[in-house]
Amino acid sequence: QKEVEQDPGPLSVPEGAIVSLNCTYSNSAFQYFMWYRQYSRKGPELLMYTYSSGNKEDGRFTAQVDKSSKYISLFIRDSQPSDSATYLCAIVNTGGFKTIFGAGTRLFVKA
Amino acid sequence: DTEVTQTPKHLVMGMTNKKSLKCEQHMGHRAMYWYKQKAKKPPELMFVYSYEKLSINESVPSRFSPECPNSSLLNLHLHALQPEDSALYLCASSQGEYKSYEQYFGPGTRLTVT
Repeated sequence: QKEVEQDPGPLSVPEGAIVSLNCTYSNSAFQYFMWYRQYSRKGPELLMYTYSSGNKEDGRFTAQVDKSSKYISLFIRDSQPSDSATYLCAIVNTGGFKTIFGAGTRLFVKA
Repeated sequence: DTEVTQTPKHLVMGMTNKKSLKCEQHMGHRAMYWYKQKAKKPPELMFVYSYEKLSINESVPSRFSPECPNSSLLNLHLHALQPEDSALYLCASSQGEYKSYEQYFGPGTRLTVT
C-alpha cells in the first residue's frame, strides 16, 4: 500500500466550478499535510499546509484534514483557467523530515 | 525574497560526461533538498542537507554526488549517468528540517542523458 494515494485524473471542470481534490494516506503518525501546485515545466509551489486535523482557508482555497478517516482534501472555489495545473498532496511525519508526495491530480479549468 | 534559483535550466549530457547542477537560496534557510521528477510523476526525494551536513540519502546511486559548500548553495555533481536518469531535477529549501512541511522549490533543471 502506498503511503499517499491520489487520483491522477485528469479532472476537467468549467470556469467558476467548485473543485474538490482528495488524497488518502496510510500512516496515522503523519502530522503535516500539504498541498502544492505545479504548473507545466515549473517547480511545485506550496499552497498551504495543515497540522493535524481541521480546516485551513486561504482566499479561494480550503484545505481539510480528517485524521479519523486518513483523508485530506483541497477545495477550490470559483475556479479559474489560471488554476489549471497539477495539484500534489504531500505528507511529512514529525521528526521524519521526509516529504512524500501523492501522484498529483491534473486539473483543467475550461473558460 | 522567497526565491530558489537553479542553473542551468536545461542540460544535455552524454553518458561519459561530468556535469554539475547548482542551486542557490538567500532566505537564510538551513535545510536544502534535491528531488528527481520524471514526467507525469511526483517528485522523489534524493538528498537532504541540514546545516550543510548530509542528513538523508535516499539510496541514490553514487553517480549522483551532492555537495553543500555553504548555507546558501547546493550542488549536484553528475558522472556516468544513464539515459533513465533523464528527468527534472528540483532543488528546495526550508527554514530547517523541522519545517520540511514548508519547502520552497526552484524551477528545476531539465536533464537529458544521451
